[in-house]
Amino acid sequence: QKEVEQNSGPLSVPEGAIASLNCTYSDRGSQSFFWYRQYSGKSPELIMFIYSNGDKEDGRFTAQLNRASQYISLLIRDSKLSDSATYLCAVNIGYKLSFGAGTTVTVRA
Amino acid sequence: GAVVSQHPSWVICKSGTSVKIECRSLDFQATTMFWYRQFPKQSLMLMATSNEGSKATYEQGVEKDKFLINHASLTLSTLTVTSAHPEDSSFYICSARVTAPGTEAFFGQGTRLTVV
Repeated sequence: QKEVEQNSGPLSVPEGAIASLNCTYSDRGSQSFFWYRQYSGKSPELIMFIYSNGDKEDGRFTAQLNRASQYISLLIRDSKLSDSATYLCAVNIGYKLSFGAGTTVTVRA
Repeated sequence: GAVVSQHPSWVICKSGTSVKIECRSLDFQATTMFWYRQFPKQSLMLMATSNEGSKATYEQGVEKDKFLINHASLTLSTLTVTSAHPEDSSFYICSARVTAPGTEAFFGQGTRLTVV
């Protein structure tokens, strides 16, 4: 079983719509969870992190953590063309971050 | 966020030569840095964890004699790809944490290595 499972997509949404991404993780002891965005040919940049069960909102982004289900998600509201990228979830397992495979999101005009 | 600078951003080298990639934390001290490799359309794969003043910890399947890591100071870690071959062509990315494990990692710009 992979440490972090993420649906690789691709996911295509119209401009202004909501994009929904999700991951599951295997280590129940994981304490911190992250969402990164990666544009083609660039390194990942942090969008959000979440430590507590529930929702965390930052602008158009909402991260959700459900420890009981070992599930994390990211909602992107009012999607913009510039949101087109690959989104990576990451989970702290021990001293390192384990990444999901990434979900490629395309926002179409 | 914290700034991690990686250099060079791209490099082309001949097969059999060695290439050194530098990773610097510019505005914080990084006790631990991480080196990743990413092939096209794949996720980041952790190669090794670099600890200041001690030997790096390599992930299973990563040849430590081929990928030499040095973390001589709290702000600099280097990755040297020795005797590079075309199959080593990839996107190499370093990252560093600001404080203890559990906090977010910040990434360098990445280095695109092409071995011809």
